[in-house]
Amino acid sequence: TQLLEQSPQFLSIQEGENLTVYCNSSSVFSSLQWYRQEPGEGPVLLVTVVTGGEVKKLKRLTFQFGDARKDSSLHITAAQPGDTGLYLCAGAINFGNEKLTFGTGTRLTIIP
Amino acid sequence: EPEVTQTPSHQVTQMGQEVILRCVPISNHLYFYWYRQILGQKVEFLVSFYNNEISEKSEIFDDQFSVERPDGSNFTLKIRSTKLEDSAMYFCASSEVSGGIGAQFFGPGTRLTVL
Repeated sequence: TQLLEQSPQFLSIQEGENLTVYCNSSSVFSSLQWYRQEPGEGPVLLVTVVTGGEVKKLKRLTFQFGDARKDSSLHITAAQPGDTGLYLCAGAINFGNEKLTFGTGTRLTIIP
Repeated sequence: EPEVTQTPSHQVTQMGQEVILRCVPISNHLYFYWYRQILGQKVEFLVSFYNNEISEKSEIFDDQFSVERPDGSNFTLKIRSTKLEDSAMYFCASSEVSGGIGAQFFGPGTRLTVL
């Protein structure tokens, strides 16, 4: 069973601060996706990373895939109240294996 | 922007009844999935579907569950005899290529409540 552990589980910071959330596993993933989920809604895709060491930027969000493809991080610069939400990582084990294994999630609250 | 749609948004049913959850994947996508999320828990994979057949299913997806692509646009999940523990959000997703390479796009979900 592949597990993705996210940390921290909860994070509450002031507007304007920077933060990093982590997604870790003992398994190697062929790709990893980050989603954001609002209450009662479906996960919304933010980014997909597929290469070890890959870094992708989406405005103030920076995503990194670990060199060994077992972990990933999401860094937010100058957090804004609109960043508040549940952030999920999800990985696929093998190319051609279509199942996504979801992480436990980080619930982020940005205080104005 | 293309999106995955799901109907109904909320379904309430009695235990033992059959339900059909409907999804319209993104039109040029070839791979389709169902996931579920019990309240307060992780999103869990149920089944993947490609070329009119199941390509992978989880332990959750037992004989009470079935999927179908009855026409060129709809993708359905049927639960034959619902149990209380089937109460959850059910999400449909689709991807243009195999999920390990491509990205899976999720619908807004159907909240199933079994009484």
